Amino acid sequence: EADIYQTPRYLVIGTGKKITLECSQTMGHDKMYWYQQDPGMELHLIHYSYGVNSTEKGDLSSESTVSRIRTEHFPLTLESARPSHTSQYLCASSSDRPSTDTQYFGPGTRLTVL
Amino acid sequence: SQQGEEDPQALSIQEGENATMNCSYKTSINNLQWYRQNSGRGLVHLILIRSNEREKHSGRLRVTLDTSKKSSSLLITASRAADTASYFCATVFGNEKLTFGTGTRLTIIP
Repeated sequence: EADIYQTPRYLVIGTGKKITLECSQTMGHDKMYWYQQDPGMELHLIHYSYGVNSTEKGDLSSESTVSRIRTEHFPLTLESARPSHTSQYLCASSSDRPSTDTQYFGPGTRLTVL
Repeated sequence: SQQGEEDPQALSIQEGENATMNCSYKTSINNLQWYRQNSGRGLVHLILIRSNEREKHSGRLRVTLDTSKKSSSLLITASRAADTASYFCATVFGNEKLTFGTGTRLTIIP
């Protein structure tokens, strides 16, 4: 089991609300990632970070934002949730050691926006 | 468009049989990885094969890589009910971000 945690596991919320999805890891990994995955579909990278104060947008455009103030913590925020944001959000991390590309995933947050 | 495409999209076999799923990709890679995802959960890393390797084993898993055809296969031998999951290949090139395929949904029938 990977030491990477996501809360909440499930969230049902109304349109227009601000939400923050939490992700934390205790492995000391510098690299962290957020993916969005619709049921039965592939994962799409929406944000990543290679260290504290470093954040980049991924391949899939997202209205969410992220921050990386501490190595172990990589929260994702939606300022105003919409039904189109309904999806599963997966957080992952990986080591900065050369040639080590394996990513460790959290259990995911399933978000439903009504 | 996604880097990897898995084939088949879904596969159902009897417990004890072998399961083979394939992955094709489009660009050069540093390595290719296979992950498993149980329903509604996060992904678990299974195995990594580097671009200069042709075959790798891990327990009941065997992965092959053919860089000339830009394809990989994952073989699960002597399948068990607990192997029921979705399996994704993911490729890494250059900046070390993973690009995931579309996944194969494997069902093992007891």
